[in-house]
Amino acid sequence: GQNIDQPTEMTATEGAIVQINCTYQTSGFNGLFWYQQHAGEAPTFLSYNVLDGLEEKGRFSSFLSRSKGYSYLLLKELQMKDSASYLCASMDSNYQLIWGAGTKLIIKP
Amino acid sequence: DAGVIQSPRHEVTEMGQEVTLRCKPISGHDYLFWYRQTMMRGLELLIYFNNNVPIDDSGMPEDRFSAKMPNASFSTLKIQPSEPRDSAVYFCASSPLRIDVPYEQYFGPGTRLTVT
Repeated sequence: GQNIDQPTEMTATEGAIVQINCTYQTSGFNGLFWYQQHAGEAPTFLSYNVLDGLEEKGRFSSFLSRSKGYSYLLLKELQMKDSASYLCASMDSNYQLIWGAGTKLIIKP
Repeated sequence: DAGVIQSPRHEVTEMGQEVTLRCKPISGHDYLFWYRQTMMRGLELLIYFNNNVPIDDSGMPEDRFSAKMPNASFSTLKIQPSEPRDSAVYFCASSPLRIDVPYEQYFGPGTRLTVT
């Protein structure tokens, strides 16, 4: 079957670094997406990885290991506005996104 | 661009009533997706269209749900009759055809549906 696993909730301190992990099992693989969703709002695109390695985009970085079925999202210099849910989604062989349940990130001052 | 537009933003209806949700995708996007999000089940894909043609409706819960896309700038999701378990946030998303980031989806603000 197809499955995406990520922690339900994480807490971190303002100014610190946090890593949100995601493991995936999908029928085929055409890339791994990370989306951010603030409470009561729509998901917005953060990153896309299809090759192994780290993609850096400002304070956010995303890593992929295809052989391990593993990805993480790294957030540096945390700000209060980073409090949100972070959704991991794997694209299967039919180019359909299989979504994780999301990780709620709580930032404390 | 105005982004994906959805209406209404909030809908409260009684069980058994018909509900119609509307979506205007971003101009030029080839794909349109309808999702449902609840605390229990997370984000679920209901159906998606490519160039106005339904491609995969395997996520549609049952015959009470139907979706149409009569043209490139408009889509509807209809629930008839509605039930309390249909209460959720319904998102519409659209996506351009791109090589570098396939199917990067732009979400609308969602419709919060409450069925009493």
